[in-house]
Amino acid sequence: GAVVSQHPSWVICKSGTSVKIECRSLDFQATTMFWYRQFPKQSLMLMATSNEGSKATYEQGVEKDKFLINHASLTLSTLTVTSAHPEDSSFYICSAETGSYNEQFFGPGTRLTVL
Amino acid sequence: SQKIEQNSEALNIQEGKTATLTCNYTNYSPAYLQWYRQDPGRGPVFLLLIRENEKEKRKERLKVTFDTTLKQSLFHITASQPADSATYLCALDRGSTLGRLYFGRGTQLTVWP
Repeated sequence: GAVVSQHPSWVICKSGTSVKIECRSLDFQATTMFWYRQFPKQSLMLMATSNEGSKATYEQGVEKDKFLINHASLTLSTLTVTSAHPEDSSFYICSAETGSYNEQFFGPGTRLTVL
Repeated sequence: SQKIEQNSEALNIQEGKTATLTCNYTNYSPAYLQWYRQDPGRGPVFLLLIRENEKEKRKERLKVTFDTTLKQSLFHITASQPADSATYLCALDRGSTLGRLYFGRGTQLTVWP
């Protein structure tokens, strides 16, 4: 089956610094990738839709200047959390679709802790 | 916006029994509905998808029903096993841009021996 990886799996950073999270589709090309955030005991909340070669589409309430998304190739999308604050601490998960909209393949997630 | 409710936060059942999880939604009817499994600290894993014109779909011990009149989907695990213990999420398409999903909070299923 389709495999999506994320790196790093966890990261701890100081407040005010930037953190980059990578999402890769390992055995397929993903024209579209999605970035979600999940707080404990909460549902996955879609942050943005990332299309290869174009600007990401952000959901209402998500600051595009704070959460920078780059989808440089058909197998890689990155999310950079800029000037991180403790309230940005969360579980960040990416997903990719294969072209048909039937299912999404999710990465294992990245646990971000901002001190 | 779409509101999704999954019947309970937690469901505990005995091994061998059938687990039934509920997903209710408001507002528009989605073109399709999906169920995912999520283990602690991991990303969701796709289980089943059912389209609006389908009433039921099965995959091994899993069965999903979709009632667009009631705006409800039921997810069944028959002959449950302790390994089925996880959080199960339902997700609906957003109706506008393909692939954008609304997720419910999930139901944490525990199957005890």
